[in-house]
Amino acid sequence: QVKLLQSGAALVKPGASVKMSCKASGYTFTDYWVSWVKQSHGKSLEWIGEIYPNSGATNFNEKFKGKATLTVDKSTSTAYMELSRLTSEDSAIYYCTREGGSSDFDYWGQGVMVTVSS
Amino acid sequence: DVLMTQTPVSLPVSLGGQVSISCRSSQSLVHSDGNTYLHWYLQKPGQSPQLLIYRVSNRFSGVPDRFSGSGSGTDFTLKISRVEPEDLGVYYCLQSTHFPWTFGGGTKLELK
Repeated sequence: QVKLLQSGAALVKPGASVKMSCKASGYTFTDYWVSWVKQSHGKSLEWIGEIYPNSGATNFNEKFKGKATLTVDKSTSTAYMELSRLTSEDSAIYYCTREGGSSDFDYWGQGVMVTVSS
Repeated sequence: DVLMTQTPVSLPVSLGGQVSISCRSSQSLVHSDGNTYLHWYLQKPGQSPQLLIYRVSNRFSGVPDRFSGSGSGTDFTLKISRVEPEDLGVYYCLQSTHFPWTFGGGTKLELK
């Protein structure tokens, strides 16, 4: 069965960077786009961007350009997202998702809680 | 960006009852390929969102037929009949027709 296993929670200082992982299993990793979604506390969901593991091609929400960097390691079927120059506004839960055939997000990771605090 | 407006924000329901959630977009969600990329999700407390309906009216694998989606253009509806306890949570619509993809603000389904 399809699974997306994300790395653990992170506590980081303002101005620092954080890199999180999303390990895929149960399907051919290189055949599906992987998207990342942000959920600030008690709020709705924001699409950050997507990456196609086969080619490394990416698309971003303009709001997150310069903030998020997406990469993959095909050898381990793992997608990564790095967030830079962190502020309190970046404190949130971050989900990785697989994009199904209809550009829907059909499977989700369990989420990574990032807390930015000194 | 396409603005997705969900109503109501909060929806009290009795178990066994029927409810409808509306999702309106600020522009048509019909893609140049003819498809409409409007999807519905449920986020239960403490969990990740889960896909219920994709492309307006198609139930995802394992989703009971109590859930149905309809609509076109800019106006979409999710209907839940015979509400069960596991249906409680926050419902979101998502459009993936126009970049950047955007979610609605959410509708919280809760017991009366």
